[in-house]
Amino acid sequence: AQKVTQAQTEISVVEKEDVTLDCVYETRDTTYYLFWYKQPPSGELVFLIRRNSFDEQNEISGRYSWNFQKSTSSFNFTITASQVVDSAVYFCALSEGWDGNKLVFGAGTILRVKS
Amino acid sequence: DVKVTQSSRYLVKRTGEKVFLECVQDMDHENMFWYRQDPGLGLRLIYFSYDVKMKEKGDIPEGYSVSREKKERFSLILESASTNQTSMYLCASRDRDSHYGYTFGSGTRLTVV
Repeated sequence: AQKVTQAQTEISVVEKEDVTLDCVYETRDTTYYLFWYKQPPSGELVFLIRRNSFDEQNEISGRYSWNFQKSTSSFNFTITASQVVDSAVYFCALSEGWDGNKLVFGAGTILRVKS
Repeated sequence: DVKVTQSSRYLVKRTGEKVFLECVQDMDHENMFWYRQDPGLGLRLIYFSYDVKMKEKGDIPEGYSVSREKKERFSLILESASTNQTSMYLCASRDRDSHYGYTFGSGTRLTVV
């Protein structure tokens, strides 16, 4: 069965600090997709990234970067030079197979960035 | 701008009431989903639908049912609301042929008293 673990319940940082959010997943499928979503106080989940199981290249998008390591079943998310607007709940999620119909979420990590 | 719209942002209902949560998407997506979000548990899948009149149970379907009579609308029904169904409910949709991220609505915060 698929499972996603986000061990960090809450993280507080001061603006401009770098912060890494951890995500560990479990799956028996060789084909799967990993996602990160951001949920700001408004409540709507915002898609950040999708990565498939055959692509272990790390990705950088502005201040955001993702480190995918199949050997440790991890898909960690780093925010560089954090800003107050980064304060949100961040979810890691997994969907199995090419169909990818069922998205399983981790418990989420609350990130608080203080000015 | 593509959208998933949930009819109510906040709802308060009494125990035993039948509750309807409505979700409409304007992207012509085949797949639609209902999740509930609880602190420390993340989002858990209640039901999903991959086409009109089609539905499948998710991880926590007990106490819920769904209806998909039209492609754009997916309703979640609480047959007899109970206090343990107090939660945030999120609807999402996805194009069947796309593995990109789902599009989520803003959520309905339901309180059952």
